[in-house]
Amino acid sequence: QSVLTQSPSVSAAPGQKVTISCSGSSSNIGKNYVSWYQQLPGTAPKFLIYEDKKRPSGIPDRFSGSRSGTSATLDITGLQTGDEAHYYCGVWDSSLNVVVFGGGTKLTVL
Amino acid sequence: QVQLVESGGGVVQPGRSLRLSCAASGFTFISYPMHWVRQTPGRGLEWVALISYDGRNTYYADSVKGRFTISRDDSKSTLYLQMNSLRPEDTALYYCARGGSWFGEFHHWGQGILVTVSS
Repeated sequence: QSVLTQSPSVSAAPGQKVTISCSGSSSNIGKNYVSWYQQLPGTAPKFLIYEDKKRPSGIPDRFSGSRSGTSATLDITGLQTGDEAHYYCGVWDSSLNVVVFGGGTKLTVL
Repeated sequence: QVQLVESGGGVVQPGRSLRLSCAASGFTFISYPMHWVRQTPGRGLEWVALISYDGRNTYYADSVKGRFTISRDDSKSTLYLQMNSLRPEDTALYYCARGGSWFGEFHHWGQGILVTVSS
């Protein structure tokens, strides 16, 4: 049971937009920056979004993030088959003094 | 470019110990916090431990607290995870990750090393 809640799966057609949500609490998302990670099958996670909405160099602007209250979202526009992956949110929990992850959302591009 | 290479994994019996290493290169090791994160095959990510950039502060997941110890040797640009009293539920792929400005960030990841705890 993850501290952060993500929908297990989401799907959309190529070219469409998808939103992946991450729900937490006042001690984690409500207080600290959220980051997002993409994990392609059989590979290590990849840093995708940090400080809620910033992209590391090399990450296309099709990926965007936001945070409001105790929830965060990752938007992916112009979906490509290569975007099929698991997506995880992560954040520091100031009450538990641990990093917490969401359970991950599997994106299928139909 | 940033490289993180884990080593030291393998098969170990319950109750025994194992030490993982992570050799870092391509960045100024002493400037960054470092983490261990694990993943059970087919499951999600579980954060394990964090050590601050200066080594003064460490944090652990409740599931490993008191059994695992994270440390760093800045002279060797190497991160360690000493795992004692291993349990079958510690079986996972262990990733070394470089942190960022905030504790919840993982900017770079190693390829992972498999630890199997089984009799």
